This record gives sequence, structure tokens and C-alpha cells, in this order.
Amino acid sequence: DIQMTQSPSSLSASVGDRVTITCRASQGISNSLAWYQQKPGKAPKLLLYAASRLESGVPSRFSGSGSGTDYTLTISSLQPEDFATYYCQQYYSTPPLTFGGGTKVEIK
Amino acid sequence: QMQLVQSGPEVKKPGTSVKVSCKASGFTFTSSAVQWVRQARGQRLEWIGWIVVGSGNTNYAQKFQERVTITRDMSTSTAYMELSSLRSEDTAVYYCAANPRCSGGSCYADYWGQGTLVTVSS
Repeated sequence: DIQMTQSPSSLSASVGDRVTITCRASQGISNSLAWYQQKPGKAPKLLLYAASRLESGVPSRFSGSGSGTDYTLTISSLQPEDFATYYCQQYYSTPPLTFGGGTKVEIK
Repeated sequence: QMQLVQSGPEVKKPGTSVKVSCKASGFTFTSSAVQWVRQARGQRLEWIGWIVVGSGNTNYAQKFQERVTITRDMSTSTAYMELSSLRSEDTAVYYCAANPRCSGGSCYADYWGQGTLVTVSS
């Protein structure tokens, strides 16, 4: 199984801050990585796929980068509606389609 | 509008089974793949398995291999996830999620159902 290690597990930030979340795979996943946002009591929402492709309707302040085993989600200027938990998921190798442990973004 | 609508909450006794449904609309169900994911309260997302709707091919996480069955009914655009031999640790919100353009199964999920709370308690 491919393990996905996400860091940090939580962070505190202010509106307008630049935020970076990292996901590391236990082996190369050839950019087969998606990022999701989840708010309390809601289903996850797709933000990016193929490591850097923005899903339709997602604000451009979200971006993704990386290759091989290391990937990053960046929020360029944090907005009030961005406070949520973020998950990465690899879809390179199945089973399973592994999720990272999540990063909770909280208000400082 | 593309959406997935799941069945309602369930309360089950240990040792029994639960079957959760996921009805798709607004996209071509037959060319999609549906994955099932669960989340215990306050915990991470946990992948259970997927089905390629057109072929009916399935793939399960080893943890659930012996207890889960994912099926689909193309006539009603509905996917199902049945989990047997329930235990208290299976208490979680179960989500279906679909990718309308996925023919191989190993895909990200564009659309998510609203979630179904399954509570296992004696």
C-alpha cells in the first residue's frame, strides 16, 4: 500500500496569510494526487486533481505543485471561508486509494 | 445538476449488515466510477473500495475485503455498499463519491454524496 503523510496536522493562520500544506507519498505517484476541502458536517469537496489542476469553480488562490513523492497545496491569501480540514488522496495505485491524515486550518 | 443522493441514517446491532445506497443524477452513470469512503467522528477519511459502473469491476481495501460488497444498478443509476458483521468500530459517516469520466476505477472523486451515518450499537 502507498502511505500518504500529510503535514502539518493542524495550523493556525490569519486572513490574508499564505498557507502551505504538504503531502508525501511512500513511493512515487506520478502526479496522481487530489486535494479536498472538508468543512464540519459536510462532505469533502474536490479542489485540485493531477497535483496541480484546479477543479472548475475553485478560486485561483488555491494551487498545487509537486512531483514524484512530494506534493504541496498552497492557499495564496487565506479567506474566512477557507478555514476547514484539507486532505490529499493518491489515485496512482489501488487498492487502496489512500488519503492523508488531514490538515486542520484554524483561525489565529 | 450533477449530484449523488444517499440513503438515510441507519442504526444497526453488532453482527448484522447494512446496505447504503447512492443515487446518481445529472451525469452519465454508466461511464463513471464510484468509490466509497467512511469517516468516524473526528477521524480521517478512510477508503473502502470502488466500482467501475460500466463493467461492474470492483476493488476493495484489504481491511474490508471479507466484509464489503459494492454493487450497482444501472437501470436506476444507483450504487450500493453493503458491510457485514458490523462492530462498534464501524460507526461512521459513509460517503459515496463519483468521477463521471473514470473508466478504470483508480480516479479522484469529483462529486460526493451527502453522507450516511451508520451507528452500530447493542
